[in-house]
Amino acid sequence: GENVEQHPSTLSVQEGDSAVIKCTYSDSASNYFPWYKQELGKRPQLIIDIRSNVGEKKDQRIAVTLNKTAKHFSLHITETQPEDSAVYFCAASNPRGYQKVTFGTGTKLQVIP
Amino acid sequence: GAGVSQSPSNKVTEKGKDVELRCDPISGHTALYWYRQSLGQGLEFLIYFQGNSAPDKSGLPSDRFSAERTGGSVSTLTIQRTQQEDSAVYLCASSLSGQGYSPLHFGNGTRLTVT
Repeated sequence: GENVEQHPSTLSVQEGDSAVIKCTYSDSASNYFPWYKQELGKRPQLIIDIRSNVGEKKDQRIAVTLNKTAKHFSLHITETQPEDSAVYFCAASNPRGYQKVTFGTGTKLQVIP
Repeated sequence: GAGVSQSPSNKVTEKGKDVELRCDPISGHTALYWYRQSLGQGLEFLIYFQGNSAPDKSGLPSDRFSAERTGGSVSTLTIQRTQQEDSAVYLCASSLSGQGYSPLHFGNGTRLTVT
């Protein structure tokens, strides 16, 4: 089955700096890669996703890049703000068959004001 | 509109008791997932439903865990003879379809504490 590894497990940055979270996946058939943000005590929520037919996607201060050959994808947050502090989960799924979503172990991001 | 609703939000039970956790997905979502999140840990897959059937139960940790879904809507996760290691937040998620590129919509979870 699919295995998703995520690094780092914790990340502290100064407000205004950039943050990068990296994930690798094992199943070459996976072709959908969502990212979820979970604030303390709240539910995970989708913040951005990418399909395997594109290499990069941006939405304001966040962007995701995908390297299918290397089987890794990354989340980039620019101009970080205190409200970006949360746990971020990457995930991979193979929509053929059924969409089993395998999550990474999470990155706790702390933005220091 | 209404999101995924889970109840109870918190449940404290004694070791050895049975518990039932409920999930009410977004109307029209055919796919439903249960995940478990232990303190500070990631999201552990438990079971997936497409309609009322469960084609993937591979994440259920033991035969004390079972789940059902009726009417293609509400799902219940039952844990029999609870153990302390069952303490965790149980998250339910639904998506429009179990195929394609449908994002998961999570509920707020049920925090289970086994004493």
